[in-house]
Amino acid sequence: QVQLQESGPGLVKPSETLSLTCTVSGGSVSSGSYYWSWIRQPPGKGLEWIGYVYSSGSINYNPSLKSRVTISVDTSKNQFSLKLSSVTAADTAVYYCARDSMAYFDYWGQGTLVTVSS
Amino acid sequence: NFMLTQPHSVSESPGKTVTISCTGSSGSIASNYVQWYQQRPGSAPTTVIYEDSLRPSGVPDRFSGSIDSSSNSASLTISGLKTEDEADYYCQSYDSSNHVVFGGGTKLTVL
Repeated sequence: QVQLQESGPGLVKPSETLSLTCTVSGGSVSSGSYYWSWIRQPPGKGLEWIGYVYSSGSINYNPSLKSRVTISVDTSKNQFSLKLSSVTAADTAVYYCARDSMAYFDYWGQGTLVTVSS
Repeated sequence: NFMLTQPHSVSESPGKTVTISCTGSSGSIASNYVQWYQQRPGSAPTTVIYEDSLRPSGVPDRFSGSIDSSSNSASLTISGLKTEDEADYYCQSYDSSNHVVFGGGTKLTVL
């Protein structure tokens, strides 16, 4: 059974960089059949796709966040990561990591709330 | 920018049938597959429909999906409504650059 688990600080100061890691178990980020994705959901609002990384390291980002986002993969640790720079209160959200099977998001992490506040 | 528009909320009685629409802003919605996700409070979304009309294993056949090219929209239909179907539902597709796009979500109330 594939499991994904987000980890990282729950509180980030404005203008700083948000950093999260997703640890994958029961499957390999090296598999060429999946996109490893980040999705966020502000409190009480809808889902917003942030971007994905492929096992080869190729990436695809949401154009509205592209200038601030970096997603990378670490095959040795079976993890992938998200960095979002210059955060503001508008970046407060539950952040999910998810596996995209190229048909649909078939596995999701439980989500982690990141609050941007001084 | 390609957008998907859903009604904010729908409601229906147990045992009835409800349909949730998802309208594409430009181009043909039939150009890329549409997925539907169910999200209950405090939980991550789960897939109920993928590739317009397919159901993942374990999803009951009360859930069905379709595409209507004439209205440039996708629809999720849930028949034989149960109280456990009460949740938020999101459609999802792709723009011309293969960026993932989600609809704004529809809150389904079963009363």
